[in-house]
Amino acid sequence: DAGVIQSPRHEVTEMGQEVTLRCKPISGHDYLFWYRQTMMRGLELLIYFNNNVPIDDSGMPEDRFSAKMPNASFSTLKIQPSEPRDSAVYFCASSLGHVSEAFFGQGTRLTVV
Amino acid sequence: GQQVMQIPQYQHVQEGEDFTTYCNSSTTLSNIQWYKQRPGGHPVFLIQLVKSGEVKKQKRLTFQFGEAKKNSSLHITATQTTDVGTYFCAGGDDKIIFGKGTRLHILP
Repeated sequence: DAGVIQSPRHEVTEMGQEVTLRCKPISGHDYLFWYRQTMMRGLELLIYFNNNVPIDDSGMPEDRFSAKMPNASFSTLKIQPSEPRDSAVYFCASSLGHVSEAFFGQGTRLTVV
Repeated sequence: GQQVMQIPQYQHVQEGEDFTTYCNSSTTLSNIQWYKQRPGGHPVFLIQLVKSGEVKKQKRLTFQFGEAKKNSSLHITATQTTDVGTYFCAGGDDKIIFGKGTRLHILP
């Protein structure tokens, strides 16, 4: 397996634009997590899915953020409209169980100017 | 809500010296995980501890889980330049919460 695959690796966008981050989890993993990492706040859990169903989205900062998982092999995190304070590295991770070893993707470095 | 706190935030050591990072939770944890993130990289799973008082070793790394299952530590013996990175503890019952991490810098 190629591991968790995220795209794009880097994204630079202007304030107000829509940004879509993509993730392909490891096949067979039932859980998918979206994290945001910044120097100030560390690694924050935004939302996680179990069997494609969102279980906990309490970490999603505000309504500008939304996440979907239309099938077991694909998830998106969308920010609309984007703001400079959204600049961060966004990681997707997947695991067999909700408190099992998490496998992280390479991350998407988002810069909003 | 549940919090996982880590200290120190930064640590500079001479190559060959030992290093320890500590993790504390506001609540009892069912398990604790440790991850390492190299500069510019992504978190990589190191180990998971489940039992009260558990101690596990991986070569020069020793991991401990406290008797009350509210604290944990990672100790590296005789650090090497390859140990550079940020070490995170993570724990939780219904979801995994990460500590802020300890950034280890090795002085040659």
